[in-house]
Amino acid sequence: AQSVAQPEDQVNVAEGNPLTVKCTYSVSGNPYLFWYVQYPNRGLQFLLKYITGDNLVKGSYGFEAEFNKSQTSFHLKKPSALVSDSALYFCAVRAAQTGANNLFFGTGTRLTVIP
Amino acid sequence: DTGVSQDPRHKITKRGQNVTFRCDPISEHNRLYWYRQTLGQGPEFLTYFQNEAQLEKSRLLSDRFSAERPKGSFSTLEIQRTEQGDSAMYLCASSLTGASYEQYFGPGTRLTVT
Repeated sequence: AQSVAQPEDQVNVAEGNPLTVKCTYSVSGNPYLFWYVQYPNRGLQFLLKYITGDNLVKGSYGFEAEFNKSQTSFHLKKPSALVSDSALYFCAVRAAQTGANNLFFGTGTRLTVIP
Repeated sequence: DTGVSQDPRHKITKRGQNVTFRCDPISEHNRLYWYRQTLGQGPEFLTYFQNEAQLEKSRLLSDRFSAERPKGSFSTLEIQRTEQGDSAMYLCASSLTGASYEQYFGPGTRLTVT
């Protein structure tokens, strides 16, 4: 079975400070991991993905994420938060070897960047 | 705009009525997915197509739900005899073929069943 856990419903960070949004996953075999962001009244926007290779992946808007196989984690990070980063963030996983192509999403983490 | 589009954006219906939603994927994408998102939850997979073939439908929530993609382009999701529990955001996504490709989501259709 595949699943994603986002242990924090809410993360607050001051503008200019580094931010981390946590994600752990469970999957059989190798994972494909994704981060999406959702702004109010808009669909999910793709931020970044880990497929293979370098454990640190860089994505849109200055975000990056680190894949840690031993900890089964894929935490989203940004060195300096902006107020405009305030949104709902979703981590998603699918197993590389399975035939299914759907993503399994976490329950989301609401990030609030305080001016 | 060449992104995924969905129509309508909002639908209010009375319990027992049928509703149909439309999704137009990114033109070069041959995979199309439907998800449902309820408040406080992440998207939940319903079904997906590769071209016109529906390759996975076991996760459709009940036999009241059905989806089509007759010509391998746009898709429709129909819910028959709607129930209040069907109230949710219905999301469509598309991607290129291949598990490593990211899915691009439309803005969703918000269904309210009264």
